[in-house]
Amino acid sequence: GAVVSQHPSRVICKSGTSVKIECRSLDFQATTMFWYRQFPKQSLMLMATSNEGSKATYEQGVEKDKFLINHASLTLSTLTVTSAHPEDSSFYICSASSSPYSNQPQHFGDGTRLSIL
Amino acid sequence: SQELEQSPQSLIVQEGKNLTINCTSSKTLYGLYWYKQKYGEGLIFLMMLQKGGEEKSHEKITAKLDEKKQQSSLHITASQPSHAGIYLCGAHNAGNNRKLIWGLGTSLAVNP
Repeated sequence: GAVVSQHPSRVICKSGTSVKIECRSLDFQATTMFWYRQFPKQSLMLMATSNEGSKATYEQGVEKDKFLINHASLTLSTLTVTSAHPEDSSFYICSASSSPYSNQPQHFGDGTRLSIL
Repeated sequence: SQELEQSPQSLIVQEGKNLTINCTSSKTLYGLYWYKQKYGEGLIFLMMLQKGGEEKSHEKITAKLDEKKQQSSLHITASQPSHAGIYLCGAHNAGNNRKLIWGLGTSLAVNP
């Protein structure tokens, strides 16, 4: 149980392209989803927290117009990197939790490796 | 801001050996999670600890949270190559805070 599917697993595209990443909870309803960015040999950096049907809460320093998050249903959240540039190249991981409270673990997707040329 | 310190940063052990990874905070933790990550992949949930003194085991992995809820250890008994990966600890820094703070991870290699 608690399977989270993230697609695509890898994206290579030209600078200026917008890229959409999907995160789906397959066997549970995700009231809260989280989007992280991970740099080599560094820990997870939380970008934003989203609740179904409401606007995402972005962490300090994360541009909400650059990283658009939509959580339209209890099983799907999307992250769109708009007008991507080489500095946006990174490993993006989503996670989902079945509880809006802090007493349930987050379950993670397999991540998306984004490479901007 | 509160940080989680993990030690050691990396570890190489011979198959069959026991090992321990530590996760330490200077402040009380409200929920401590252990995950395992293989390079370039997502995180696999291992265990969650919430109460001081709590201990949980799954197969050959045992995790403990100290009474003060400031330190957790992950112990692997009779390690196998399948245990290799990056072990990450994450924790809530407040009781009502859904966000997790993360350690930098411990890279484990198990030589056959």
